[in-house]
Amino acid sequence: AQSVTQLGSHVSVSEGALVLLRCNYSSSVPPYLFWYVQYPNQGLQLLLKYTSAATLVKGINGFEAEFKKSETSFHLTKPSAHMSDAAEYFCAVTSGGATNKLIFGTGTLLAVQP
Amino acid sequence: NAGVTQTPKFQVLKTGQSMTLQCAQDMNHEYMSWYRQDPGMGLRLIHYSVGAGITDQGEVPNGYNVSRSTTEDFPLRLLSAAPSQTSVYFCASRPNRGRVKAGELFFGEGSRLTVL
Repeated sequence: AQSVTQLGSHVSVSEGALVLLRCNYSSSVPPYLFWYVQYPNQGLQLLLKYTSAATLVKGINGFEAEFKKSETSFHLTKPSAHMSDAAEYFCAVTSGGATNKLIFGTGTLLAVQP
Repeated sequence: NAGVTQTPKFQVLKTGQSMTLQCAQDMNHEYMSWYRQDPGMGLRLIHYSVGAGITDQGEVPNGYNVSRSTTEDFPLRLLSAAPSQTSVYFCASRPNRGRVKAGELFFGEGSRLTVL
């Protein structure tokens, strides 16, 4: 069965610092991986996706993620944090099979300090 | 373009009461789903539907019913609310086209439910 694990439920960085949010996956088939962002009191929106084309994937708002099969990882990074990046971030993987459900990790809350 | 619309945004219930959370989408998406979000547990799938007249259970279906009589609407019913159902509920939809698109969900803004 497919699953994702997010290490660190809370991450705090200073404005301008590197953002690194960790996600490891488990999948019995080649995985399709996604990062979603949730701003306070809003629904989730897609940040970026890995679909086996390029291992380094760029998303919105300057975020990117690198798929590393040898490490079963799909970590999210941003070179320089902005106050507006404060949000909760979710890693997700599709289940495969006929119904292709989306399975989420437990989320990482990013705080950005001035 | 409204996207995915959920109502109500907030609701307080007493144990044992019933209610329906409404979800409507105007994007002609075949697939619709309900998730609940709880602190430290991420989003867990309750029920989903791949088209009108077809529904199936997700990870945590107990205590919830769904139906899909039209492509646009996918209501979630709580028949006898329990405090354990206090949560934020999200409806999400997508086109039903392959595994890549399976990950590209469009979410509503959520419905916050408190059961006393």
